[in-house]
Amino acid sequence: DTEVTQTPKHLVMGMTNKKSLKCEQHMGHRAMYWYKQKAKKPPELMFVYSYEKLSINESVPSRFSPECPNSSLLNLHLHALQPEDSALYLCASSPTTGLLYNEQFFGPGTRLTVL
Amino acid sequence: DQQVKQNSPSLSVQEGRISILNCDYTNSMFDYFLWYKKYPAEGPTFLISISSIKDKNEDGRFTVFLNKSAKHLSLHIVPSQPGDSAVYFCAAVNNSGYALNFGKGTSLLVTP
Repeated sequence: DTEVTQTPKHLVMGMTNKKSLKCEQHMGHRAMYWYKQKAKKPPELMFVYSYEKLSINESVPSRFSPECPNSSLLNLHLHALQPEDSALYLCASSPTTGLLYNEQFFGPGTRLTVL
Repeated sequence: DQQVKQNSPSLSVQEGRISILNCDYTNSMFDYFLWYKKYPAEGPTFLISISSIKDKNEDGRFTVFLNKSAKHLSLHIVPSQPGDSAVYFCAAVNNSGYALNFGKGTSLLVTP
């Protein structure tokens, strides 16, 4: 299994809702990532988990809350989002962090719309 | 501040010809470079990479060239095929090994 899966594919939520994005991989990768991609822009890193511990938080607002319950799963909990948070949210994984292993495998993304 | 730049937003090439996609970077700490391909409604797919100790890496129809002194890399696709039509992102990793710094992408169209 060489896939990163993400659910849901599409999500529409109001600014007062609480929702979660889910990401799963079964490649034995120990590093997992959340990226945000706006239209016509490159993906921007949000969070990095390494061995289920949060390694990097790129100054992401607290309305985004990541969680790594185990080495295969990565969640992104969303609460009180703003319309400008509408974007494609990409999950990725790599065997580990570190230079020689940073070929990240991406999921298809969740298209989030905040009304 | 964009540390990885792809200055051509789009490129159109005839089937069978060579496609050359260019990428420049500003951070001399970048040690590892990757190219990703992205189709609409899909996540980026890893294509090919190159370490800063090399100047060329080849994989089938895809070759990446690195010119460290010019802080420039390029992806050559030959021969180009219509299925290669996609957005190509150049990405770089610094020696902390964590984040991929992406360029803005180049949209390649290969016409029959």
